[in-house]
Amino acid sequence: NAGVTQTPKFQVLKTGQSMTLQCAQDMNHEYMSWYRQDPGMGLRLIHYSVGAGITDQGEVPNGYNVSRSTTEDFPLRLLSAAPSQTSVYFCASSYTQRRYSTDTQYFGPGTRLTVL
Amino acid sequence: AQSVAQPEDQVNVAEGNPLTVKCTYSVSGNPYLFWYVQYPNRGLQFLLKYITGDNLVKGSYGFEAEFNKSQTSFHLKKPSALVSDSALYFCAVRDGYKLSFGAGTTVTVRA
Repeated sequence: NAGVTQTPKFQVLKTGQSMTLQCAQDMNHEYMSWYRQDPGMGLRLIHYSVGAGITDQGEVPNGYNVSRSTTEDFPLRLLSAAPSQTSVYFCASSYTQRRYSTDTQYFGPGTRLTVL
Repeated sequence: AQSVAQPEDQVNVAEGNPLTVKCTYSVSGNPYLFWYVQYPNRGLQFLLKYITGDNLVKGSYGFEAEFNKSQTSFHLKKPSALVSDSALYFCAVRDGYKLSFGAGTTVTVRA
């Protein structure tokens, strides 16, 4: 199993540009999520999905869109990039995350995004 | 909302000495607690989790964590640290459909 994969590893954008960060998992996990990591703030949830066709907002959803057309893929779209979106983005998945699920989340290697 | 706090930004220890990384939690109901480690330029790797049962949880790479309900703590421990344990460590708690993470503790193990 490749686990959770993310592309690209690095990206530099100019303010106002749009792009899509890709995330895929081959573990047949129901749950997928996107976090951003900023120094001193830990990881914060952007969006999550509990299954194909179902997505919801996390703590910091503004400026990002997601869709989940298949179980395997969960792309994150930046609509109009801003310098405040400079961060490291991690995708994660687990079998399920029903409200009190204790399943372990598995993380991808991350995408380092810089917005100029 | 559930939350965790990591009171130390950095922990420095000598190789071979015991390593402790501190975490306290604030939850309503039963806490489901996790520790993750992040090596430089890598994603997060799961170390261990506490669901219920024994207060001492054993995990990967020789790490263990002690759950203390009276002190609302979940400290990560390793009896003998290695230089290769140098990394960023995160404590996390299940919070509805997500994990709530602490700010992280950078561990440096010197040879």
